[in-house]
Amino acid sequence: QKEVEQDPGPLSVPEGAIVSLNCTYSNSAFQYFMWYRQYSRKGPELLMYTYSSGNKEDGRFTAQVDKSSKYISLFIRDSQPSDSATYLCAMSTGGFKTIFGAGTRLFVKA
Amino acid sequence: DGGITQSPKYLFRKEGQNVTLSCEQNLNHDAMYWYRQDPGQGLRLIYYSQIVNDFQKGDIAEGYSVSREKKESFPLTVTSAQKNPTAFYLCASSGSLETQYFGPGTRLLVL
Repeated sequence: QKEVEQDPGPLSVPEGAIVSLNCTYSNSAFQYFMWYRQYSRKGPELLMYTYSSGNKEDGRFTAQVDKSSKYISLFIRDSQPSDSATYLCAMSTGGFKTIFGAGTRLFVKA
Repeated sequence: DGGITQSPKYLFRKEGQNVTLSCEQNLNHDAMYWYRQDPGQGLRLIYYSQIVNDFQKGDIAEGYSVSREKKESFPLTVTSAQKNPTAFYLCASSGSLETQYFGPGTRLLVL
């Protein structure tokens, strides 16, 4: 079993839809949770960073962490074609090693 | 303009050849990392360095080597011992343990 599981998709939605992206994990020691966005043939860019449980909002993006269920989510409101990318979840215990999910490919249709 | 640069963007390797990928950062970060990304797989850690003149193996270090002679630079050499080198290579740096910032990547192809 992988430490971090992420549905690879692809996920296709119409413009304006609410998108929900999710990851599950097995290591209860993870304390730091990140979401990265990666456009095709580019490096990942950090979108959201959350420590421990709870919600964090930044513009159209909301990150949720449920440590009791070992489940994290990223919500995108009013999705735009420019949101089409691969979204990677990542998590860390606070040491130097970060574990990344395989990424979910998202397509937002105009 | 702070950031991480990687070069070249594309690199072609002949069989039996060693090739070196460049990574430079001007973010004044202490930690630097090399990852390999294959289709459908997450990022896999090759090597990381917490400070100058020190580095540790990651999960897939076999066939790779690194050096960290300067804080700004962390080059990766793909040696001839790496039998399946075709992949997208990503360099990252971190000023805090939790968040990493990535370069644009180098795509390595085998001729």
